[in-house]
Amino acid sequence: DQQVKQNSPSLSVQEGRISILNCDYTNSMFDYFLWYKKYPAEGPTFLISISSIKDKNEDGRFTVFLNKSAKHLSLHIVPSQPGDSAVYFCAAASGGSYIPTFGRGTSLIVHP
Amino acid sequence: EAQVTQNPRYLITVTGKKLTVTCSQNMNHEYMSWYRQDPGLGLRQIYYSMNVEVTDKGDVPEGYKVSRKEKRNFPLILESPSPNQTSLYFCASSPDRTSYNEQFFGPGTRLTVL
Repeated sequence: DQQVKQNSPSLSVQEGRISILNCDYTNSMFDYFLWYKKYPAEGPTFLISISSIKDKNEDGRFTVFLNKSAKHLSLHIVPSQPGDSAVYFCAAASGGSYIPTFGRGTSLIVHP
Repeated sequence: EAQVTQNPRYLITVTGKKLTVTCSQNMNHEYMSWYRQDPGLGLRQIYYSMNVEVTDKGDVPEGYKVSRKEKRNFPLILESPSPNQTSLYFCASSPDRTSYNEQFFGPGTRLTVL
């Protein structure tokens, strides 16, 4: 059973608009959440994170929102740029194991 | 330049033929780990190491071995590869197990076991 779910395998957005990538989790022990970005033929790179004591974390064009009651987090990219086209992985970890559990990824395509 | 290198990048082998995928980092990181990525499954951790001579199982360790004799190297060993180990493998390193924001991944090794 998947503990971290990214239900949208792909998302297509126009340049300059907002991209919203969603992630749901089932394990209430998760207390740290991460987003990674992956380009083809490269390893993932860390993008942004949020701990369970916060509900929002912002870094430039990237903002992650956490709704603990709904066990849902989302990554907002504003404005979207063609260079943002990549696969985005959501991941979650707990203080007990620190082994992150990854979602299946969402492929974002930003059209010029 | 800070980096994690993996070799080989691509490998096609046959069932039962032992192989090793090397991983090396130049950042003096204590924590290193191996992941596999399969279609529709995301990344899953195979093994991790918190320091030299300290290794432990991740979520999917069956069929794999690792060693950490030096801080910079963390090879992944498949003693008797099977077709279900066909996958894309990533090595990663970070200063410690909780420094996700300072985690570096290697470029990946695509392994096919026939």
